[in-house]
Amino acid sequence: KNEVEQSPQNLTAQEGEFITINCSYSVGISALHWLQQHPGGGIVSLFMLSSGKKKHGRLIATINIQEKHSSLHITASHPRDSAVYICAVRQGAQKLVFGQGTRLTINP
Amino acid sequence: DVKVTQSSRYLVKRTGEKVFLECVQDMDHENMFWYRQDPGLGLRLIYFSYDVKMKEKGDIPEGYSVSREKKERFSLILESASTNQTSMYLCASSDGRPYNEQFFGPGTRLTVL
Repeated sequence: KNEVEQSPQNLTAQEGEFITINCSYSVGISALHWLQQHPGGGIVSLFMLSSGKKKHGRLIATINIQEKHSSLHITASHPRDSAVYICAVRQGAQKLVFGQGTRLTINP
Repeated sequence: DVKVTQSSRYLVKRTGEKVFLECVQDMDHENMFWYRQDPGLGLRLIYFSYDVKMKEKGDIPEGYSVSREKKERFSLILESASTNQTSMYLCASSDGRPYNEQFFGPGTRLTVL
């Protein structure tokens, strides 16, 4: 069993729908990251959080430390949100352990 | 903006060749990382470096070596490429503060025939 599990692995939705991607982890962490990877490979960081909730535009990330679970929500989804979303947990100061990624496709 | 560049976007090599993947960052970051990304497995750490000439093995270092002679440059070396090293290779860098963001390069898709 992977230390970081994401669900679903693939998600297809219509433009405007509310999207939720889940991340569960089984190890102790100091922080959790949500990353976005567009076709072509480049990865950008969306959020880093260690408690509670963060919001940036239409994206919201939450974490429940006791339940070892995080969610990434996208409101009013748009085709440009189509990408792979990756959850990564930080162990110690530097090491990241990554989930397998969730491939999101938003159809117009 | 932090910029992390990788020497090639696509590379095709033959089994047994020695392969060099180069990564350069322009933000004076102390830490640099090499990952490979495979479908269903996510990103896995090969090696990282926290200072010039310093390196530590990651989770899957077998078949790879690294070199960091200058702070801005971190090279991944495949001494004798094999078909199971066909993958996407991603470089990242971060500054020396704990719990900080890693900045990723665009990736190199390596195919070993």
